[in-house]
Parts: sequence; structure tokens; C-alpha cells
Amino acid sequence: DTGVSQDPRHKITKRGQNVTFRCDPISEHNRLYWYRQTLGQGPEFLTYFQNEAQLEKSRLLSDRFSAERPKGSFSTLEIQRTEQGDSAMYLCASTPPAGELFFGEGSRLTVL
Amino acid sequence: AQKITQTQPGMFVQEKEAVTLDCTYDTSDQSYGLFWYKQPSSGEMIFLIYQGSYDEQNATEGRYSLNFQKARKSANLVISASQLGDSAMYFCAMSPIIQGAQKLVFGQGTRLTINP
Repeated sequence: DTGVSQDPRHKITKRGQNVTFRCDPISEHNRLYWYRQTLGQGPEFLTYFQNEAQLEKSRLLSDRFSAERPKGSFSTLEIQRTEQGDSAMYLCASTPPAGELFFGEGSRLTVL
Repeated sequence: AQKITQTQPGMFVQEKEAVTLDCTYDTSDQSYGLFWYKQPSSGEMIFLIYQGSYDEQNATEGRYSLNFQKARKSANLVISASQLGDSAMYFCAMSPIIQGAQKLVFGQGTRLTINP
């Protein structure tokens, strides 16, 4: 499978715990994006990388959130001290220099 | 700021009929892109069609076409000859065109159900 891969697909955690999601983009894609989708809503932009550089972060990305793409390949999104409001689907997408976004199937987070 | 409005929370259509999903947008940008995505129950967002703000002709991709009316700021998706597999959530989105980055702003979506 050569699509965007996300892991884990589902995560249930208790409030206050840290969680980390991983995204493996399509190999030749230099841009990688993170979006968040809450129930009944469309996805919302969080941040994006061009190669290893994080070029923009949304105001939605509080200090408890950190994203990295250390070697310009896979990316991680960590949420520290999770809150119930963090419960959502976290979607990763990648794109070549010119072309449409290819999304992964998402990582669903439930914070109890 | 950009905004997408999808006013149809749900649509029910008979198989083989055509269906139009409404989308209006608001932006002060001169250059922007308009997108439609399909989201089946598996959760993956599947790209359907793209229209650039300076494209004079409406985009088409197979059974999908985008009815772009710039003056009315609308970008409706038309699906011809609907199939049972078309049942899904459909999202309209837009992005400014800045060095190729796609910071999409999505609408709230329309749930399309195709009845046999």
C-alpha cells in the first residue's frame, strides 16, 4: 500500500495522559499536513511541513500540541496532558510540490 | 478569513439520478482553489475535484462536475448517474493559493444517501 499511513487508528486515553500519533506520507511527497476533525464538523487545519521545516501552525494548536518531522519523512503529533476537548479524529495528509492532498484514514482519539 | 457554507446537512437520492450538493464560499483572496472531498465511513478523505479561481471552464472528473459561479461565490458539486457507493459525507473546501500550500478550510459537510 503506497498511501498515507497513520498509526494508531484508534486511541483511548485518560485525561491528563500524553499521546503520540505517527504519520507516514507518500514517499515522494515533500509537504505534510495535520488536520483535526471533531464529530459532525469538517476538518480544521493544524499545521504543515515542507520537508523537515514546520512552516505554519494554526492558533488551534495550543502549547500542549507539538508536531515534528525530523528527517522530512514521517511525522509525529504529540498531545500532552490530554483534555476531553482533544477527542477528535486527527488526519494527516501529504502532497507533492504541485497536486492535491492525499489523506490518511486518520487516528481517532477518545479522552475519558 | 475564508469561510465555506454547506446548507444541506443531508440529501437522499434515488440510484441513477443526478444530485447537486451546494457550496458557497467567502474570501477576500484573489487567487484561491475550491475542492470537493468524499469521506466514507472508513474516515479517509478522498479528493474528487478541483477548481481554480481563474479557471474559466467548470472542472469535470468522470461523473463529477463542479458548477463554479464566481460572481455568486458558489461551487456546487454535481454527481451524475449516482451509485450506491456514492453514499458518504461530502465536504467542500477552499484554500488560498500561496506557494502551493493547501491550508484547506472545510464546510460542515453534506451526508449523501443513495437509495436503491
